[in-house]
Amino acid sequence: KAGVTQTPRYLIKTRGQQVTLSCSPISGHRSVSWYQQTPGQGLQFLFEYFSETQRNKGNFPGRFSGRQFSNSRSEMNVSTLELGDSALYLCASSSGVDYTEAFFGQGTRLTVV
Amino acid sequence: KNQVEQSPQSLIILEGKNCTLQCNYTVSPFSNLRWYKQDTGRGPVSLTIMTFSENTKSNGRYTATLDADTKQSSLHITASQLSDSASYICVVSLNTGGFKTIFGAGTRLFVKA
Repeated sequence: KAGVTQTPRYLIKTRGQQVTLSCSPISGHRSVSWYQQTPGQGLQFLFEYFSETQRNKGNFPGRFSGRQFSNSRSEMNVSTLELGDSALYLCASSSGVDYTEAFFGQGTRLTVV
Repeated sequence: KNQVEQSPQSLIILEGKNCTLQCNYTVSPFSNLRWYKQDTGRGPVSLTIMTFSENTKSNGRYTATLDADTKQSSLHITASQLSDSASYICVVSLNTGGFKTIFGAGTRLFVKA
């Protein structure tokens, strides 16, 4: 059974640009959550998608957005990148029903220069 | 306010020694508590999951305890190995509609030879 796949693994962008990250959940999982992890802030919840609908949202500015497709794959977009957006972006896959287990991908390391 | 606090922030131990990490939470309504291990630059990996009625759960050399009355959990690592060097994150899920979780900031464990 394949795990959670995030692409790309590493990314370097310039301030002001936008970026799109991808997450393919475990087969059969309908929930995908996104997190930002920085050394100073730890894991911060961005949003969760379940069956193509945003079900929960964290306290991030509107520059951070996401979507989920019918095959449960999810994308996260960050527009007008700032230096402070440099972080490890993780997605977690779960069934979305029983909340007992969430499996994380390896993350995308975004560096904004 | 829903919060998860972990202590200590970091810990250095010698290989072969035991250690205990702490997690205190003020989360309601409580659904489950999970401990994750995260190696540097990689996604977190689940170690244990405990629901309200479970007091202890083991996974090899890792043993987690939960006291739902005092809202405290601990992760005990026995006979530490160099590969145990990682961040250990306590995660508490709320029993509300949607995938709502609160992450602790983690404890950074360094195991030295």
